Amino acid sequence: AQSVAQPEDQVNVAEGNPLTVKCTYSVSGNPYLFWYVQYPNRGLQFLLKYITGDNLVKGSYGFEAEFNKSQTSFHLKKPSALVSDSALYFCAVRDTNAGNNRKLIWGLGTSLGVNP
Amino acid sequence: EPEVTQTPSHQVTQMGQEVILRCVPISNHLYFYWYRQILGQKVEFLVSFYNNEISEKSEIFDDQFSVERPDGSNFTLKIRSTKLEDSAMYFCASIPDRINTEAFFGQGTRLTVV
Repeated sequence: AQSVAQPEDQVNVAEGNPLTVKCTYSVSGNPYLFWYVQYPNRGLQFLLKYITGDNLVKGSYGFEAEFNKSQTSFHLKKPSALVSDSALYFCAVRDTNAGNNRKLIWGLGTSLGVNP
Repeated sequence: EPEVTQTPSHQVTQMGQEVILRCVPISNHLYFYWYRQILGQKVEFLVSFYNNEISEKSEIFDDQFSVERPDGSNFTLKIRSTKLEDSAMYFCASIPDRINTEAFFGQGTRLTVV
């Protein structure tokens, strides 16, 4: 079965420090991986995706993520965290098994807190 | 930039009442979804819709739920008889035909069942 794991419920970092939000996945076939962010009382905003090509993908707001096939991971990173990055982050994988479906399978989310 | 719009932003209803949540997906998109999120927790898949029919539904999507695309633009989720545990944020999403494209989400409807 396809699944996504975000092992940390909460990550706290100091402003200006690098941040990492972890994600591992289990899929059959080639993974299509996504990161979304949710600010308080807001919707889900797309950050970045990995489909194919370079393992390091860059996205919105200075975020990047590294696809590691051998470790089946897709960790989200940012070199220097901002207080405004504090939000809930979701990793998701596209279901490539079902024919005309393409639904997203979600991790549980990681709450990122950036302290001033 | 095109966006998915959802109305209302907040709906309060009494237990047992019917509610209809409305979504207008991006016009040239072909795949449509409803997801829900209870109290800032995990996002759960409800149903996917393609070519004017349901392509998959989750265990959550029981007989109390239905979806329609009545006029080629709107995409609605109906809950016939709401329960307290239906209280959640409901998100509509759509994607175009390309499988490598991200899903575009609406801002959500917060449903509160009292």
